[in-house]
Amino acid sequence: GIQVEQSPPDLILQEGANSTLRCNFSDSVNNLQWFHQNPWGQLINLFYIPSGTKQNGRLSATTVATERYSLLYISSSQTTDSGVYFCAVVEGKLQFGAGTQVVVTP
Amino acid sequence: NAGVTQTPKFRVLKTGQSMTLLCAQDMNHEYMYWYRQDPGMGLRLIHYSVGEGTTAKGEVPDGYNVSRLKKQNFLLGLESAAPSQTSVYFCASSYREQYFGPGTRLTVT
Repeated sequence: GIQVEQSPPDLILQEGANSTLRCNFSDSVNNLQWFHQNPWGQLINLFYIPSGTKQNGRLSATTVATERYSLLYISSSQTTDSGVYFCAVVEGKLQFGAGTQVVVTP
Repeated sequence: NAGVTQTPKFRVLKTGQSMTLLCAQDMNHEYMYWYRQDPGMGLRLIHYSVGEGTTAKGEVPDGYNVSRLKKQNFLLGLESAAPSQTSVYFCASSYREQYFGPGTRLTVT
């Protein structure tokens, strides 16, 4: 099956800092989603992004399908950005990466 | 528009007991899924359904059964709960992108 690798596994940020999370996948995919799991366990859809670039407030994402990677950018981070960020690719069903644990400190 | 809802939110079972988790969606999605998430890990697919009356096995189906009698509902059953089934269970539905419910925290003692 398809392999999904996320990096870095952990990230500690000072409030206001910018960061980039990366998702690599081993084969062509139909689609890709980014999720944020907040500290209460809720899974929130961030982006559905098979290719190209999308922006939503302080978050943006870019997927380069031909090179099998996607990037999630967090700008001007806030403490509410803490949690785990998952990338998931669609190979019939969603295949999740292991996630990046983000901690934003005041 | 409630999206995806799950019942119950929390449950404690003794080993050998049975229970059913209910997932409901009001978005008219064909596809529905059950996942489990263990501490510090990503989500693993248990079973899924591509439409009313159909179900299929995912990555970790053993010990679980499912039914999709109505398009809007997807039920996950544990016939004889084991401590290894202690987990958080998420339901999702999709047309293209997947939308997740709030989760059910299950503890089997």
